[in-house]
Amino acid sequence: GAGVSQSPSNKVTEKGKDVELRCDPISGHTALYWYRQSLGQGLEFLIYFQGNSAPDKSGLPSDRFSAERTGGSVSTLTIQRTQQEDSAVYLCASKGTAEKIYEQYFGPGTRLTVT
Amino acid sequence: GEDVEQSLFLSVREGDSSVINCTYTDSSSTYLYWYKQEPGAGLQLLTYIFSNMDMKQDQRLTVLLNKKDKHLSLRIADTQTGDSAIYFCAESLTGNQFYFGTGTSLTVIP
Repeated sequence: GAGVSQSPSNKVTEKGKDVELRCDPISGHTALYWYRQSLGQGLEFLIYFQGNSAPDKSGLPSDRFSAERTGGSVSTLTIQRTQQEDSAVYLCASKGTAEKIYEQYFGPGTRLTVT
Repeated sequence: GEDVEQSLFLSVREGDSSVINCTYTDSSSTYLYWYKQEPGAGLQLLTYIFSNMDMKQDQRLTVLLNKKDKHLSLRIADTQTGDSAIYFCAESLTGNQFYFGTGTSLTVIP
């Protein structure tokens, strides 16, 4: 089956504009994660969705960042009024159930550049 | 949050063994992972180990866990140029939330 997909693969935007990043998880995966990877940094946790539970938003760096997951599948990460420090690779991962419950599967990421 | 630390760079010659090290602070960590990230790609799960294990071997990969010292290592035998990538260590208490290190960039010299 298909893996985790993300779109767009690259996004260049002007400072102050809003952007939306999309993640399509592996079909049937109940958990979905967003991470940010800045140059030379590790992965910074942003938000975590698990089934129908309220998402864990504890990693969102500011109220300019929000995410939603519609129908328990596709997720959109929105960054409002982008700043240059938002430039990073945004990675999405999903996690399944049963015997693979401990394993995250990552998408290729969206590289965001704010000019 | 939990701290997971790795050295940033490692260079080895093709054919040698590589050892990538990781330390973590949460002694309650239940699952410990190694991921590989090739240029322009997402992270690929290489292997993981449960905290009640000391060692796990999978072909050229050997994971060693020292729970007392909270130290995890990944050994790659007979390192090849295709192994050049960034390797991330991660830990999780419940298998639901994950904490990643900064990654170790492995360069394999032909």
